[in-house]
Amino acid sequence: TQLLEQSPQFLSIQEGENLTVYCNSSSVFSSLQWYRQEPGEGPVLLVTVVTGGEVKKLKRLTFQFGDARKDSSLHITAAQPGDTGLYLCAGRYNQGGKLIFGQGTELSVKP
Amino acid sequence: NAGVTQTPKFQVLKTGQSMTLQCAQDMNHNSMYWYRQDPGMGLRLIYYSASEGTTDKGEVPNGYNVSRLNKREFSLRLESAAPSQTSVYFCASSEYGLGLYGYTFGSGTRLTVV
Repeated sequence: TQLLEQSPQFLSIQEGENLTVYCNSSSVFSSLQWYRQEPGEGPVLLVTVVTGGEVKKLKRLTFQFGDARKDSSLHITAAQPGDTGLYLCAGRYNQGGKLIFGQGTELSVKP
Repeated sequence: NAGVTQTPKFQVLKTGQSMTLQCAQDMNHNSMYWYRQDPGMGLRLIYYSASEGTTDKGEVPNGYNVSRLNKREFSLRLESAAPSQTSVYFCASSEYGLGLYGYTFGSGTRLTVV
């Protein structure tokens, strides 16, 4: 079974703080995605990264794909209460393959 | 709005009862998926349908069956519900064979088996 490990599992911070969430595997991904899920809703795609070393920015969110394509990180600058939610990474180990999801990071940003 | 529609949103079953969870997408996607989500365990794939007319087992298929009724609809059936099947169930769809595309998820069905 291919595993995708996310850390930390829970994160509670104050508004304005920075944070980083990690996603790691022992296998190489062909592509990796990050999703955000709000309570009572399904996950929503934030970004897809494909190339080793790739960095993508979405407003205050910065996504990085590791050079070896085995890991990824999500960095949030100056977190806001609206960033609260469950963040999931998901990877494909081959082109066209099924997505494998990490267990998620539950983020709470307090005003 | 275009997307994935799941019904029902909530359901309570008694042990041994059966039910079907319905899912429909209007994005002309080829592939559809059923996941269950449990606290601390992320999303686990139950069954998927890579294209109309095909279905395959995922990571946790025991106790479930699926039907790909047509390109739009993919249903999940619990023949004899067990408390271990208490979970939130998500249906998703995607383009087939295009690794850069993400999944579009429905808003989920919260199932409780007592």
